[in-house]
Amino acid sequence: GAGVSQSPSNKVTEKGKDVELRCDPISGHTALYWYRQSLGQGLEFLIYFQGNSAPDKSGLPSDRFSAERTGGSVSTLTIQRTQQEDSAVYLCASGDDSFEAFFGQGTRLTVV
Amino acid sequence: GDSVTQMEGPVTLSEEAFLTINCTYTATGYPSLFWYVQYPGEGLQLLLKATKADDKGSNKGFEATYRKETTSFHLEKGSVQVSDSAVYFCALDHQAGTALIFGKGTTLSVSS
Repeated sequence: GAGVSQSPSNKVTEKGKDVELRCDPISGHTALYWYRQSLGQGLEFLIYFQGNSAPDKSGLPSDRFSAERTGGSVSTLTIQRTQQEDSAVYLCASGDDSFEAFFGQGTRLTVV
Repeated sequence: GDSVTQMEGPVTLSEEAFLTINCTYTATGYPSLFWYVQYPGEGLQLLLKATKADDKGSNKGFEATYRKETTSFHLEKGSVQVSDSAVYFCALDHQAGTALIFGKGTTLSVSS
């Protein structure tokens, strides 16, 4: 069956450029999460969408980061004016009422 | 705020050894508790969960018991295999409408 799909799987960008990362959640899941995984830092929460509620943006590290979820389905994480410290694996997950989160394979972002 | 603390790794064991990975949490109320696993080259996946005090989650020979009195959810396995080598993440989810909070992860390496 279809799981959480993220694209691209790898992205190399120049410092200062904007990037968009896409997440296609599992159909019917109301919850969608974005996390960032850096070496030795575990999973850093970024943003959380639940149904039609206002998203929890408390984990976004700066105003260069934003995310939207269109039609309660696909989500895009945008990073403006990328910096080298933004290099990480960006993980998306979706979830249902059981609180279990299903993760995608992630997008590895490298800022050079 | 809510947080999860798990033992730092790496944990290196021989095959058939006993495994314990400690996890403690800080949260108000009664969160649900999870262990996620990330095998090399794969995405995170749920290993087991417990939703209330004294519940025991189990899967693939792994077990963890929700201990409210010690705010702990330690992961155990009686006899590890080489195929258990992975990164293990403890997490909590306070309630619907909040994001999963993860620990930093513990790397387990099992040798034959």
